[in-house]
Amino acid sequence: DAGVIQSPRHEVTEMGQEVTLRCKPISGHDYLFWYRQTMMRGLELLIYFNNNVPIDDSGMPEDRFSAKMPNASFSTLKIQPSEPRDSAVYFCASTRGGLADGYTFGSGTRLTVV
Amino acid sequence: SQKIEQNSEALNIQEGKTATLTCNYTNYSPAYLQWYRQDPGRGPVFLLLIRENEKEKRKERLKVTFDTTLKQSLFHITASQPADSATYLCALAPSGGGADGLTFGKGTHLIIQP
Repeated sequence: DAGVIQSPRHEVTEMGQEVTLRCKPISGHDYLFWYRQTMMRGLELLIYFNNNVPIDDSGMPEDRFSAKMPNASFSTLKIQPSEPRDSAVYFCASTRGGLADGYTFGSGTRLTVV
Repeated sequence: SQKIEQNSEALNIQEGKTATLTCNYTNYSPAYLQWYRQDPGRGPVFLLLIRENEKEKRKERLKVTFDTTLKQSLFHITASQPADSATYLCALAPSGGGADGLTFGKGTHLIIQP
């Protein structure tokens, strides 16, 4: 398996523009998580899905953020409109159900909003 | 409020010695605790999981202890090597079962000097 695949690796956009981040989880993993990492706040959980259904989106900072998982092999995180304070590295991770498994993270998308 | 604390200062260890990293938490009753390694520009990589009813877990040169009374986990790397240099993150899962999203500490940067 190629692991969790995220795209793009880097994104530079102007304030006010829409940004869409993409994630392909590992096949057979039924949990998918979106995290954001900054120096100040570390890794923060934004939202997670189980069997394509959003379970907890309490970490989504504002209504400008939305996430979807239309099928088991694809998820998107959208920011509209983007702001400079959204600049961070966004990670997607997946795992199988149950408590025994660690998460497999993607390589992340480094977002810079200017 | 819930808090996970890891030493924010870099830890410098001479090659061949044992490196010990600390993870303290407050206002949590975690079902289990995980340790991850993160290299620059990469996503975290899962290393070890220890459950609340386990005192110690080993994997090759790695050892994790979990003291729910002290609310502390220690992560040991024996016979350390320069290749072990990285940031190490601890993460907690809430009790009660399920695969709720992990909450991560900010990590400790470990430097193994030749």
